[in-house]
Amino acid sequence: DQQVKQNSPSLSVQEGRISILNCDYTNSMFDYFLWYKKYPAEGPTFLISISSIKDKNEDGRFTVFLNKSAKHLSLHIVPSQPGDSAVYFCAARHQGAQKLVFGQGTRLTINP
Amino acid sequence: ETGVTQSPTHLIKTRGQQVTLRCSSQSGHNTVSWYQQALGQGPQFIFQYYREEENGRGNFPPRFSGLQFPNYSSELNVNALELDDSALYLCASSPDRDETQYFGPGTRLLVL
Repeated sequence: DQQVKQNSPSLSVQEGRISILNCDYTNSMFDYFLWYKKYPAEGPTFLISISSIKDKNEDGRFTVFLNKSAKHLSLHIVPSQPGDSAVYFCAARHQGAQKLVFGQGTRLTINP
Repeated sequence: ETGVTQSPTHLIKTRGQQVTLRCSSQSGHNTVSWYQQALGQGPQFIFQYYREEENGRGNFPPRFSGLQFPNYSSELNVNALELDDSALYLCASSPDRDETQYFGPGTRLLVL
């Protein structure tokens, strides 16, 4: 049972435009969500997080939106840069739980 | 402040053997979590250690075991290796149990 799903395996965006990565979840007990970026041969790097009491969190070029009623979150990157090319994972956790539950990842490619 | 480090980077074992993977957490982080990432999938939670005690476990058999030491290092041990154990093994440390997890680069294990 995949509790966190990233339905787009890949996404290609032109440099300077907005990249939007999507993530859906099924477990209504999740109350904290994170996005990680992963380059080849490296571990996931923490990008940004959001608590379920908020619907938006912003950090520089990265903004995460949470729609609890739809059980959906998205990561917006604007403007997209070539260095943003990587695999992006969304992850979720519920209060009192130790583990992060990850989606399958979306490979983002930024074209010059 | 140094990040999370893991050793070795790559390892080849044969079916039935035992393996020990090592992780050095960020200084001051009292929590370490281990994940298994199969090709094309998101990381799957194996277990978490908090102050040297196991603090939660995912759906992995008992032949996956761990240790955490007072010097911020930890180990993942896998006995009776199976072909399906071939994966990237990631450790992640956090300042406390419910805080953001920071990942190491991983150990890629191949079981032949």
